[in-house]
Amino acid sequence: GAGVSQTPSNKVTEKGKYVELRCDPISGHTALYWYRQSLGQGPEFLIYFQGTGAADDSGLPNDRFFAVRPEGSVSTLKIQRTERGDSAVYLCASSLAGELFFGEGSRLTVL
Amino acid sequence: GIQVEQSPPDLILQEGANSTLRCNFSDSVNNLQWFHQNPWGQLINLFYIPSGTKQNGRLSATTVATERYSLLYISSSQTTDSGVYFCAVEGRAGSYQLTFGKGTKLSVIP
Repeated sequence: GAGVSQTPSNKVTEKGKYVELRCDPISGHTALYWYRQSLGQGPEFLIYFQGTGAADDSGLPNDRFFAVRPEGSVSTLKIQRTERGDSAVYLCASSLAGELFFGEGSRLTVL
Repeated sequence: GIQVEQSPPDLILQEGANSTLRCNFSDSVNNLQWFHQNPWGQLINLFYIPSGTKQNGRLSATTVATERYSLLYISSSQTTDSGVYFCAVEGRAGSYQLTFGKGTKLSVIP
């Protein structure tokens, strides 16, 4: 597609449930990033993929968070046993030569 | 890690006015980008500018890497310029992490 596509745009879930957020990057972009943005803050880095492998996952807050990119294109961010503090906008970005392009984000609300 | 400070935190402008937004960073950078986050939350690329000067219409940006700052100039502001402007930098070579500042919230009033 023309831009980075993220689904769902909104997700409301209950505490303790499992959630998957999907990112479809710009065609041909080898690098893919996940960021998280809380209200009133700038985005914070979660994980970076180069191709299929997670080159840097140092921003994942704990082991409830996991991300995959099995074919080097679409990525899925998985959150287990969601907590209210996980509520935020989850942003995906892709890049070919250093410049990042962001999707519209997935707003996650954990009740 | 690298620190990014943006100023001012808030700015209110009359339509047609000019403004300068500043981004200071604490270490040398490999990558610096300016983004505009519109009221709907979309982060829009403005400039990829680790050094030098670029212009795009009413917007221009300058990064002086040796002095660790970048400036974003908005001329003849319009109400559609409202939103939050973020500066983001990649510090340590090969880290690939962009560290964002807290942003400048711009409100342009008619």
